[in-house]
Amino acid sequence: GAGVSQSPSNKVTEKGKDVELRCDPISGHTALYWYRQSLGQGLEFLIYFQGNSAPDKSGLPSDRFSAERTGGSVSTLTIQRTQQEDSAVYLCASSLGLAEWDEQFFGPGTRLTVL
Amino acid sequence: QQQVKQSPQSLIVQKGGISIINCAYENTAFDYFPWYQQFPGKGPALLIAIRPDVSEKKEGRFTISFNKSAKQFSLHIMDSQPGDSATYFCADRLMEYGNKLVFGAGTILRVKS
Repeated sequence: GAGVSQSPSNKVTEKGKDVELRCDPISGHTALYWYRQSLGQGLEFLIYFQGNSAPDKSGLPSDRFSAERTGGSVSTLTIQRTQQEDSAVYLCASSLGLAEWDEQFFGPGTRLTVL
Repeated sequence: QQQVKQSPQSLIVQKGGISIINCAYENTAFDYFPWYQQFPGKGPALLIAIRPDVSEKKEGRFTISFNKSAKQFSLHIMDSQPGDSATYFCADRLMEYGNKLVFGAGTILRVKS
């Protein structure tokens, strides 16, 4: 497909377990972003990648959250020792680059539920 | 922490009416102001965007008005249709921070037929 894809679409896990969320950006897009959407916090920035490096991790809520990107393509967001407050929709977006007009295209998100 | 304040939280408009959503931002640097539309179960999709050196931008039924001195911008949806029913987010794209988006809280729009 031509769009950003994310997997799984839904994830239910027990408190304390680790989860991995995957994002496949649009081919050729060098910038990749993770956002979180929750009822209490709205849409919030987590981290972005330019290529494989992450210049800004300022939005990661705690050290239980980490992300990596390999080969300038796929990215994985990992949440360790999940807590109930981690329940949210995790959205990935990609853009061609960091130029002024480079639009961010969003994937459908992964809905994470921590029981 | 940058903030974008969006109002109203929800809006009900009759078909054919005008929907107006307002946002205020804080950042003083040169930014870029997009509006996103989100349907249930989908990710946000870019609707229209404006640069702060432009006071108005129109695309079809959608218009952004920008007031740089007041640090405010608004979305007008003319001739609103039931298919416009969605959640709308304004955002401040921080170009000096890798273009990360700071979103408003969202407005749930319902257009009654």
